[in-house]
Amino acid sequence: AQKITQTQPGMFVQEKEAVTLDCTYDTSDPSYGLFWYKQPSSGEMIFLIYQGSYDQQNATEGRYSLNFQKARKSANLVISASQLGDSAMYFCAMSRSFGNNRLAFGKGNQVVVIP
Amino acid sequence: NAGVTQTPKFQVLKTGQSMTLQCAQDMNHEYMSWYRQDPGMGLRLIHYSVGAGITDQGEVPNGYNVSRSTTEDFPLRLLSAAPSQTSVYFCASNKRREFGNEQFFGPGTRLTVL
Repeated sequence: AQKITQTQPGMFVQEKEAVTLDCTYDTSDPSYGLFWYKQPSSGEMIFLIYQGSYDQQNATEGRYSLNFQKARKSANLVISASQLGDSAMYFCAMSRSFGNNRLAFGKGNQVVVIP
Repeated sequence: NAGVTQTPKFQVLKTGQSMTLQCAQDMNHEYMSWYRQDPGMGLRLIHYSVGAGITDQGEVPNGYNVSRSTTEDFPLRLLSAAPSQTSVYFCASNKRREFGNEQFFGPGTRLTVL
C-alpha cells in the first residue's frame, strides 16, 4: 500500500521568503507519480506540480519546485518568493504507475503568509 | 469548458436517508474518481472509474455506490446515510495516460448527516 506522510505543524512565512514543505512517501511500486495540490480557504483543489519517479530532473512550475530525493523517498515542495495568496493547505499525493486516477494523499501542510 | 461540476454544493440529510451526489465533466476524460475529505485526514479515495461501464473500489467504499453509464457522468450514491459520512466530497477527472496526469477537481459537496 502507498503511504504519504506530511507531519509539519502549521507554518508562518514572511512575504517574499521561500518555504519548504516536507513530504515523505512509502511504496513498493517500481514506478509512480508524485503531485502537490493547493487548497485555499475557499476549498477548491488546485494542481501545482508533478514529478515522475523516473524523471531525472526535479520538476519546476513557476515559483514552485519539487525537491525529489528518490533514495530518501522524499518529495518536498519549495515555494519561492511567497505571496499572500499562497496562504493555504498544501497536499502531497502519489499515484501508481497504472490506473493513475488512484491518488493517495497526505494530511496536508498549513501555510500562512504574513506581510 | 465548465470542467468538473458537482451538485449540490451543500446538503443536510437525516440518518438513514439516501441521496445521490452528481458529478459531470466536459473534458472527455476517461478517468473519474470520488474522494472524501475529513478534518485532519486529507483526501481518501472512495470509488473510481477508468471508463464508461467500469468502476472499482477505492480506500473507503463502504456505504457508497457508483455507476458510470456515460463518459461525462459519475454519480455517487449514499445508500443509507450515517453521521460518519459527514464530510466534503470531491469528484475528479483526468485523461488516461501513464504518468503526469493532473486530476481536475470539482468544487466539492459539503454533506452533513444528522
